[in-house]
Amino acid sequence: QVKLQESGPGLVKPSETLSLTCTVSGGSISGYYWSWIRQPPGKGLEWIGYIHYTGQTNNNPSLKSRVGISVDASKNQFSLKLTSVTAADTAVYYCARYHCPNGICNGYDYWGQGIRVTVTS
Amino acid sequence: QTVVTQEPSFSVSPGGTVTLTCGLSSGSVSIGYYPSWYQQTPGQAPRTLIYNTDTRSSGVPDRFSGSIIGNKAALIITGAQADDESDYYCLLYMGSGIWMFGGGTKLTVL
Repeated sequence: QVKLQESGPGLVKPSETLSLTCTVSGGSISGYYWSWIRQPPGKGLEWIGYIHYTGQTNNNPSLKSRVGISVDASKNQFSLKLTSVTAADTAVYYCARYHCPNGICNGYDYWGQGIRVTVTS
Repeated sequence: QTVVTQEPSFSVSPGGTVTLTCGLSSGSVSIGYYPSWYQQTPGQAPRTLIYNTDTRSSGVPDRFSGSIIGNKAALIITGAQADDESDYYCLLYMGSGIWMFGGGTKLTVL
């Protein structure tokens, strides 16, 4: 059974960089696309971006150049960096795996439990 | 910018059938948007129900089904149960490597 686990600091100061890691167990990170999603308190889900195990990435244009997603296949992990954070970045952050039969992705199949990150001074 | 639209709220009687929809502020949803559906209860991570329009995820009861109805993706719940009371989100592939969630539907079973 594939499991995803987010980790990182739960508090980040305004203007600093939010850094989270997703550790994959029960399966290999290779061969798949991986994603970050967030959910501000009381609001809906927001797609942040994805990374392929080869390093190909894409992210939400609304987050502009603040988002960086990387992968470390040797550790079976992928990571999120979000720079210049403000209170609006306070959210539960989820990592997830795309379901991509035959190389065409059509949704997520596995999710992490989420990690709450608060931006506060 | 195109937005993914969902009904903010819906209610259904126990045992009833409800159709939740996922549309676009401009244009029609088709299978090429690879619609998928997720169920979320308070304090929990989302659970995948449907991907690729109509394929149920492993372990999902067959009273959950997905389809395209008219110009929208749809999640149909037949024989609604009390524990179906949740928030439901759709996710669409918008092209050029961009994905977008709908705003979610809060389903009440009463």
